[in-house]
Amino acid sequence: EPEVTQTPSHQVTQMGQEVILRCVPISNHLYFYWYRQILGQKVEFLVSFYNNEISEKSEIFDDQFSVERPDGSNFTLKIRSTKLEDSAMYFCASTRWREYTEAFFGQGTRLTVV
Amino acid sequence: SQQGEEDPQALSIQEGENATMNCSYKTSINNLQWYRQNSGRGLVHLILIRSNEREKHSGRLRVTLDTSKKSSSLLITASRAADTASYFCATDERGGSGNTGKLIFGQGTTLQVKP
Repeated sequence: EPEVTQTPSHQVTQMGQEVILRCVPISNHLYFYWYRQILGQKVEFLVSFYNNEISEKSEIFDDQFSVERPDGSNFTLKIRSTKLEDSAMYFCASTRWREYTEAFFGQGTRLTVV
Repeated sequence: SQQGEEDPQALSIQEGENATMNCSYKTSINNLQWYRQNSGRGLVHLILIRSNEREKHSGRLRVTLDTSKKSSSLLITASRAADTASYFCATDERGGSGNTGKLIFGQGTTLQVKP
């Protein structure tokens, strides 16, 4: 069964450092998303990406965040200067269509900022 | 309350019993989805119900949607210990040409099924 893969599964970083979280969406999917889940809280939307550009972003997704699809298979989330409050589980998701379709989620990257 | 609020927050039942979880939302939606999350793991899609549907079944899962009340329920029948997980509803808002497919998740219900 096709799946979304994320690497690394866990990353520890110093406050102020840059991190890149990587995702390989399902190959024939066209829409890509990043969500995050702070421990014990609900899953929050960060950004959606289609046709090599951001289609929507949340208030959380400020100038410190960026996304890229560098090579047609990987989809990355970069946090330029991490803060303690960026500690969370980050999930990548992809869908084949924009509407009326299930989202396939990766297993997540647990980011710990110390 | 926020979009996709769920109750109860936690539910503990015996194996074989039914589990019912409820979700309320605020805006107009295209569809509502339920996801399952095992502790520390990714989200797994369970079922999608469109805004023009009232009920949907998938195996031991039954989902209802009441758009007039902006609420949905997920029923898991004959629960098993392996059903122990967190369950989230997620809405795909209706936004015309601006709809990007983003999902708005509820707080989730933590289900424990005791053997």
